[in-house]
Amino acid sequence: SQQGEEDPQALSIQEGENATMNCSYKTSINNLQWYRQNSGRGLVHLILIRSNEREKHSGRLRVTLDTSKKSSSLLITASRAADTASYFCATDAGETSGSRLTFGEGTQLTVNP
Amino acid sequence: DGGITQSPKYLFRKEGQNVTLSCEQNLNHDAMYWYRQDPGQGLRLIYYSQIVNDFQKGDIAEGYSVSREKKESFPLTVTSAQKNPTAFYLCASSSLAGRAWEQFFGPGTRLTVL
Repeated sequence: SQQGEEDPQALSIQEGENATMNCSYKTSINNLQWYRQNSGRGLVHLILIRSNEREKHSGRLRVTLDTSKKSSSLLITASRAADTASYFCATDAGETSGSRLTFGEGTQLTVNP
Repeated sequence: DGGITQSPKYLFRKEGQNVTLSCEQNLNHDAMYWYRQDPGQGLRLIYYSQIVNDFQKGDIAEGYSVSREKKESFPLTVTSAQKNPTAFYLCASSSLAGRAWEQFFGPGTRLTVL
């Protein structure tokens, strides 16, 4: 079953603007990860945030995690046309789930030049 | 050059045929995974393996089979029992050290049933 749900399903912005994507999940987690997928390609890992962390940065990416609300957000600042892709959150529910991740449905981001 | 490879990139199958998708990794990862992705959808887990000669069913294992005879290889067979096999199939691997379990993905195989 899909635990993560991304919001919005699709987002279209202009180059230079910021893009914010949200992810909600249902059960307790060990960590939450964000991945990017270019059309027709495999996924690429972007960033991981552990359950005891609230915010993490990597370059133009900023991820927040609110375990009380079971939600996370991914912010891409100063977007570029090359950021156009689908973005997925994935949750690791801990030891009982083995090493498996549960992926959400994704947000399709389009950055217009 | 370390990575994870999948072959073929495109695969066409006639109804009633079994087909096998290849997945190989040279990252020395313990765990390997198979996902199915339908158009505009997220990833659904088919099977995963955390150690050689052992594997577990994911959320949609019916109509699929796997083997893990070598650490580097995790082939997926789509059997004729899978009623709607047309999809994009992604293989991934991860190290089990450190409990981070970041997954590395292959480029995918697009399977079309004719």
